[in-house]
This record gives sequence, structure tokens and C-alpha cells, in this order.
Amino acid sequence: AQRVTQPEKLLSVFKGAPVELKCNYSYSGSPELFWYVQYSRQRLQLLLRHISRESIKGFTADLNKGETSFHLKKPFAQEEDSAMYYCALSGGSSNTGKLIFGQGTTLQVKP
Amino acid sequence: NAGVTQTPKFQVLKTGQSMTLQCAQDMNHEYMSWYRQDPGMGLRLIHYSVGAGITDQGEVPNGYNVSRSTTEDFPLRLLSAAPSQTSVYFCASSYFTSGPSYEQYFGPGTRLTVT
Repeated sequence: AQRVTQPEKLLSVFKGAPVELKCNYSYSGSPELFWYVQYSRQRLQLLLRHISRESIKGFTADLNKGETSFHLKKPFAQEEDSAMYYCALSGGSSNTGKLIFGQGTTLQVKP
Repeated sequence: NAGVTQTPKFQVLKTGQSMTLQCAQDMNHEYMSWYRQDPGMGLRLIHYSVGAGITDQGEVPNGYNVSRSTTEDFPLRLLSAAPSQTSVYFCASSYFTSGPSYEQYFGPGTRLTVT
């Protein structure tokens, strides 16, 4: 079964500290993984996707197929990074457009 | 472009009442979907559509109906509201593909309370 697990409901760090939001997935084929972010009073929006292999707002995420993980990292957290972060999975080559989301992690960056 | 729009923003229903949550997009996206967002549960897929006239069930379809008569609109109907349907509902759209996924664009959400 397809499943995305984000083990932390809340991650609280101080400004300038490194951040790692964990995401593990369960999928038998070749999945596509995404990180979506929801800032306060804003819509859910795409942050990054593993296919692009890019850094957005200083965040990076590497797909580790051996550990079935797609952790989101940033070396130095900023207060404006405070938001809800969702890891999501899509079905790769058998994709129908559906996304499976994790439970979400609230990142709180303290001054 | 307005993107994905949802109405209403807030709604309070009594148990047993029915209502329709509206969703529209002006990006000519084939794929549209409805999610509900609950604390600790993340976003769960209710129904989705890969084009006009085609709909399918997601993870939590019970108690909800959808139809897709046009590319632009994808309304979600609650047949007989129950307190368990208290949630925030999000509509999303994207280009449809059987290959790599496109970005999904989300609406602002509808906060529904059933008493």
C-alpha cells in the first residue's frame, strides 16, 4: 500500500539552526516525491520535487530509495520558514495524478 | 488568472443537512481533486477527476458525491452532513498525465463545521 509518514507533528528550532523534516514512504514502484508548504493564511503550494533536484528557499531534499526517505533540509532556518510542511507521493510511471500526503509537520522557527 | 477558487470560505451545517462546496479553475487543467484536512491526519483524497465526465473515488469517499460536467468546475456534494465531516476542504487541479506528475494548484479551502 502507498503510504507517507511524517513522524514529527511539531518541530521547533531557533533561527539560524539547521532543520530536517523527516519523511518516509512506502511504495512498491518508482514514486515521485514532493514537499508542499502551507504558510499561515496562505494556500498549500509546491515547495520542491525530487525530480527537479533543485534548492528552493534554501531547502533541499534527496530521495533515498534504500531508506525509502525524502527528508527536507535547510542549513540555517529563518523565521519566515515557519509553516506546515507536507510530504507527498505520486505513483511514478503508473501515475494518475493522485497525491498521497503525510500527516504534516509544523515547523516553528523561534527568534 | 484567478487560479483555483472555492466557495464558500466558511459554512456551518446541522446534522442531516446537505450542501455543495464549489470549486472552479481557469487554467484548463484536466485533473481536479478534493481533499479534506484534519489535525494529525494530513490531507486525505476524497474524489478526483481526470477530465470532464470522468470521476473516481479517493481514500475517503463515503458521504460525498462529485460530478464533472465541465473542465472548469468540480463541485463536492455532502448528501447528509455528519459531525465527522467537520473539516477543512481543499480543491486542487493540475494537468493530467500518465507520466511524471505536474504541480497541483490548491484553492484557499472551505472550513466546514457540522453541529
